[in-house]
Amino acid sequence: RKEVEQDPGPFNVPEGATVAFNCTYSNSASQSFFWYRQDCRKEPKLLMSVYSSGNEDGRFTAQLNRASQYISLLIRDSKLSDSATYLCVVNGRDDKIIFGKGTRLHILP
Amino acid sequence: ETGVTQTPRHLVMGMTNKKSLKCEQHLGHNAMYWYKQSAKKPLELMFVYNFKEQTENNSVPSRFSPECPNSSHLFLHLHTLQPEDSALYLCASTRDATEAFFGQGTRLTVV
Repeated sequence: RKEVEQDPGPFNVPEGATVAFNCTYSNSASQSFFWYRQDCRKEPKLLMSVYSSGNEDGRFTAQLNRASQYISLLIRDSKLSDSATYLCVVNGRDDKIIFGKGTRLHILP
Repeated sequence: ETGVTQTPRHLVMGMTNKKSLKCEQHLGHNAMYWYKQSAKKPLELMFVYNFKEQTENNSVPSRFSPECPNSSHLFLHLHTLQPEDSALYLCASTRDATEAFFGQGTRLTVV
């Protein structure tokens, strides 16, 4: 099993719709979880941290399921500007961060 | 501005040249990372340094040589590169494998 796995997409979603991504991780000892966003030809930027109790930031909701070892990101009322690649990040073995390969999202007008 | 600075932002080099990429952070982070990202491809981890010690070399060819003189600075020395090495090279830093801060990257073109 890969350390961090994501569906690469692309997810083509009409504007205003709700979209959700999952990401699975292999190291049950992982303690830190994040979602990053990367725009074309730019560096990744932190979207939100993922806490055990789940957290929400505006239209974005992140959740952690330790039993099944996955994290999720839900985007409500999607905007054209949400089009990007979303990267799942987990701290792995030897205490280093591991990036997933990303999920591409295209919001369609 | 994330506090991680990479220079140069753009670099064009010939296959026989030697050049170096520089990354600097003054965030007090202990770990620094080099990533390569080719066009429309995922991030590829190259090297990890933790407290100046290299903890990971992800099967990177020897024409890429990292150097970490202290916890704030990370270099990537380049020599005899190939055209397929053209990519965006990103540096990141973390404190204890928590949130990663990225530099803006060096866009490298090998001609």
